[in-house]
Amino acid sequence: GAVVSQHPSWVICKSGTSVKIECRSLDFQATTMFWYRQFPKQSLMLMATSNEGSKATYEQGVEKDKFLINHASLTLSTLTVTSAHPEDSSFYICSASPLSNQPQHFGDGTRLSIL
Amino acid sequence: TQLLEQSPQFLSIQEGENLTVYCNSSSVFSSLQWYRQEPGEGPVLLVTVVTGGEVKKLKRLTFQFGDARKDSSLHITAAQPGDTGLYLCAGAWQAGTALIFGKGTTLSVSS
Repeated sequence: GAVVSQHPSWVICKSGTSVKIECRSLDFQATTMFWYRQFPKQSLMLMATSNEGSKATYEQGVEKDKFLINHASLTLSTLTVTSAHPEDSSFYICSASPLSNQPQHFGDGTRLSIL
Repeated sequence: TQLLEQSPQFLSIQEGENLTVYCNSSSVFSSLQWYRQEPGEGPVLLVTVVTGGEVKKLKRLTFQFGDARKDSSLHITAAQPGDTGLYLCAGAWQAGTALIFGKGTTLSVSS
């Protein structure tokens, strides 16, 4: 089945640091990937849609300059949290689908903790 | 405004009991997925329903999509401690678009 891999799985860093999270589709190509954020005991909230070869589409309230998304290849999208602060601490999850009419498959998430 | 209302939010039951989780919306979805998520992991797909009135079974889990494709339910028969986890419903407006998630149902099954 379709596999989506995220790296790293856990990051702890100081406030002000920029953190890059990778999302890879391992056995398929994905022109579109999605980035979600999940706070403790809450559901997933869509942050942005990552489009291969073009700019990402951000949801309302998500700062594009804060959360930089790059989708330079058909198997890799990266999310960079710039100048991270404690309020950015969360569980970040990406998803992708082999075909538009197939369900989304999710990575295992990245736990980001900003001290 | 929550586009996809999921209930109940928390459910604590004894092993062997039956339960139903509901997912409701005023909007029509092209498809609806049910996921299960363990702590510290990403959601794992359980089922996708696309046709109004569709019923799918996965062992002791029964999933139903409403006739109007606005609501769905997950029924678990004879729950077991291994069923403990967070269950999420998620709808897609169109194929290939991002998913809209419900708030999730945290299920705890004790032996």
